[in-house]
Amino acid sequence: KNQVEQSPQSLIILEGKNCTLQCNYTVSPFSNLRWYKQDTGRGPVSLTIMTFSENTKSNGRYTATLDADTKQSSLHITASQLSDSASYICVVSVMNRDDKIIFGKGTRLHILP
Amino acid sequence: EPEVTQTPSHQVTQMGQEVILRCVPISNHLYFYWYRQILGQKVEFLVSFYNNEISEKSEIFDDQFSVERPDGSNFTLKIRSTKLEDSAMYFCASSGNTIYFGEGSWLTVV
Repeated sequence: KNQVEQSPQSLIILEGKNCTLQCNYTVSPFSNLRWYKQDTGRGPVSLTIMTFSENTKSNGRYTATLDADTKQSSLHITASQLSDSASYICVVSVMNRDDKIIFGKGTRLHILP
Repeated sequence: EPEVTQTPSHQVTQMGQEVILRCVPISNHLYFYWYRQILGQKVEFLVSFYNNEISEKSEIFDDQFSVERPDGSNFTLKIRSTKLEDSAMYFCASSGNTIYFGEGSWLTVV
């Protein structure tokens, strides 16, 4: 069964600290993996997208990694800011099925001043 | 930055009423989607639409729901005879290489 599991479910860190969010998936055949940031009450916004051949992708203070062998991805946030408080959602697409997209439940990140 | 736009942003409706949520996808995208997110829960897939027909739908997308692309630009989700449990944020999305989401339509059924 195609699944995307994220951990931790929620995370609280102090402003300025780094953190890493995890995503494990069992989607097959794999096409790409995206990380989204979703502010409360808003639509998800794309942070990174990685295909099978990409190991890492950065977007400012956000760095995503992908290990296609172990089917794991991480999102590392450097020097966190209060505005990073949001849900971070891992989304995996099935190859040749652009309509087949599997969402993780998300990690709720709280940044404290 | 391309945008998916949704209207209305908020709607309150009485149980049993019909609701139409509207979306304008990004113009050169071919795939369109509706998702919903009940407060505090994960984003749930409802339906995907390609080449003017439904390509996949979830078990949530029962006969109460329908989608339409009436004029080649708008993409609508109709919910017939709304129930209390239909209260959620409904997101429209469209995709080319990347999926773009709209800001959502808050639906409250009372």
